[in-house]
Amino acid sequence: KQEVTQIPAALSVPEGENLVLNCSFTDSAIYNLQWFRQDPGKGLTSLLLIQSSQREQTSGRLNASLDKSSGRSTLYIAASQPGDSATYLCAVISQTGFQKLVFGTGTRLLVSP
Amino acid sequence: SQTIHQWPATLVQPVGSPLSLECTVEGTSNPNLYWYRQAAGRGLQLLFYSIGIGQISSEVPQNLSASRPQDRQFILSSKKLLLSDSGFYLCASGREINSPLHFGNGTRLTVT
Repeated sequence: KQEVTQIPAALSVPEGENLVLNCSFTDSAIYNLQWFRQDPGKGLTSLLLIQSSQREQTSGRLNASLDKSSGRSTLYIAASQPGDSATYLCAVISQTGFQKLVFGTGTRLLVSP
Repeated sequence: SQTIHQWPATLVQPVGSPLSLECTVEGTSNPNLYWYRQAAGRGLQLLFYSIGIGQISSEVPQNLSASRPQDRQFILSSKKLLLSDSGFYLCASGREINSPLHFGNGTRLTVT
């Protein structure tokens, strides 16, 4: 059974810092890994999707990497801003069973001005 | 791009009352549809998924059911709510395996 873990559970940084969020998964047989952002009381917004054959994806100040063999992904946020404050979730689609996303419990990020 | 509509945004229901949450999708056809629940302090739990009209699969045994009467409509129901049904319910839509999953804004359900 696929399990996804995110560390840290919460993170507080001053504005302007670069930061890294971590995600690990137990079964390396995945189709892809996705990073989402969730604002309080809202749904999820897709940030980046990395296919199993890819090593990284970039969008603006966000860069996500994938090391499938070790079951790890990182989300790098450059020059953090208060507007980046949210919960960040990673999720994977396993190659076994139905193609469903299995989510981690998220990292709650607070960027202070 | 896809837009997922969910309503209502918030709902307070007494124990034992029925439930119907609706989700509709715009901007795509024949999507895979999903119902997730997010309990306080916990991750997202997949409740149901559907690959087509009338085709529903349940992930966990529970007090809820789902139906897909139209291609882009997904309904979550219960005949009698339990306190443990409280949570944040999210509808999601996806197409190809390597395309992002799109989420609605969710329904906050409180069972009292």
